[in-house]
Amino acid sequence: SQTIHQWPATLVQPVGSPLSLECTVEGTSNPNLYWYRQAAGRGLQLLFYSVGIGQISSEVPQNLSASRPQDRQFILSSKKLLLSDSGFYLCAWSDTVAGVQYFGPGTRLTVT
Amino acid sequence: AQSVTQLDSHVSVSEGTPVLLRCNYSSSYSPSLFWYVQHPNKGLQLLLKYTSAATLVKGINGFEAEFKKSETSFHLTKPSAHMSDAAEYFCVVSARAGGGNKLTFGTGTQLKVEL
Repeated sequence: SQTIHQWPATLVQPVGSPLSLECTVEGTSNPNLYWYRQAAGRGLQLLFYSVGIGQISSEVPQNLSASRPQDRQFILSSKKLLLSDSGFYLCAWSDTVAGVQYFGPGTRLTVT
Repeated sequence: AQSVTQLDSHVSVSEGTPVLLRCNYSSSYSPSLFWYVQHPNKGLQLLLKYTSAATLVKGINGFEAEFKKSETSFHLTKPSAHMSDAAEYFCVVSARAGGGNKLTFGTGTQLKVEL
């Protein structure tokens, strides 16, 4: 069966520091991968999605970037964090046509 | 373009009574629709999905939803609420985008279950 992992589970970082969040999927090949952010009391906002290695689509202009160095690895990064980057970050995967996305456990990021 | 409106931000029910979480959607094409549940500080779990087959969809934990095209609705129901159902619920519409699929989320409904 497929599983999706995210780490770290929680992170507290000062403003201006770099960020790297990692997501990996097991048990499937060539998944579509997604990064979402969930701010307190709000719905989910799609940040990036990838349909293959090195292929990244950005949904909103922001202080973040994403990379997909391997088929089942998706990384969310920032060079300098802002207070507004605080939130709950969720990674998800789907196969190419089913439409269903399966979510990881999330990373709680607090920028201080 | 597609959108989802969850009509109630908070719903409170007593344990053992029915649950109704309302969702209306807008989509240019025949949509795929989903309900996800999120417990505090957890990822999202798929409850059920509609993908143009039967209009009444049964999901996990006794939940079901009915797709009504004429009303552009996809309301989530459960006959009898349990304390463990307390969570946030998201109605979601899906559309194909660039080889993948893009989900548009509603703003969520917080379900509270009281004794």
